[in-house]
Amino acid sequence: DIVMTQSPDSLAVSLGERATINCKSSQSVLDSSKNKNYLAWFQQKPGQPPKLLIYWASTRESGVPDRFSGGGSGTDFTLTISSLQAEDVAVYYCHQYYRTPCSFGQGTKLEIK
Amino acid sequence: EVQLVESGGGLVQPGGSLILSCAASGFTFSGSAMHWVRQASGKGLEWVGRIRSKTDNYATAYISSVKGRFTISRDDSKNTSYLQMHSLQADDTAVYYCTRPDVGDWGRGTLVTVSA
Repeated sequence: DIVMTQSPDSLAVSLGERATINCKSSQSVLDSSKNKNYLAWFQQKPGQPPKLLIYWASTRESGVPDRFSGGGSGTDFTLTISSLQAEDVAVYYCHQYYRTPCSFGQGTKLEIK
Repeated sequence: EVQLVESGGGLVQPGGSLILSCAASGFTFSGSAMHWVRQASGKGLEWVGRIRSKTDNYATAYISSVKGRFTISRDDSKNTSYLQMHSLQADDTAVYYCTRPDVGDWGRGTLVTVSA
């Protein structure tokens, strides 16, 4: 099974500053034949279902602000929020859908400093 | 507009059974794989399992902790996915979401509480 490990577990960033969340998979989630990383990022706010932010590791979902970006390949990935806004306070999860059982990272709680 | 609406949650005793339903609309259900994800209170997301479409022979996959106890099925004529849960344990207590995670479609979830 592929284990997803996020770091840090929690993060406090000042408004307008950059926030970076890391995600490491225990096996590569890159399909070399398609050149696609089967890695997504979700944002979850209290009492709400998760919201898809990024898929294929770096493709932003429609309607997601461009301050959110995803990067990385193989086993190491990042979610970056270039300029933190108050509404970005949430828990963020990475998710691999390369192999079943699919899996999520443990989550990173993002707060305002 | 895509909608996924879960139902069937509730309180069940340890060792009991429950069937959750997910009614889908707004997309071609028969062509879509459907997933179930759960979240215990205050905890992270846990992928439970998925069922593929008829084209992929309705193939199912599960996490190890529910194999043999949970079964995912679907009725394409009703645009509905099901999660049958047996031998429920306290650590199965969670909000269960029906989802197409790769395209960002999620229901609001239904709460399953396993307690005597």
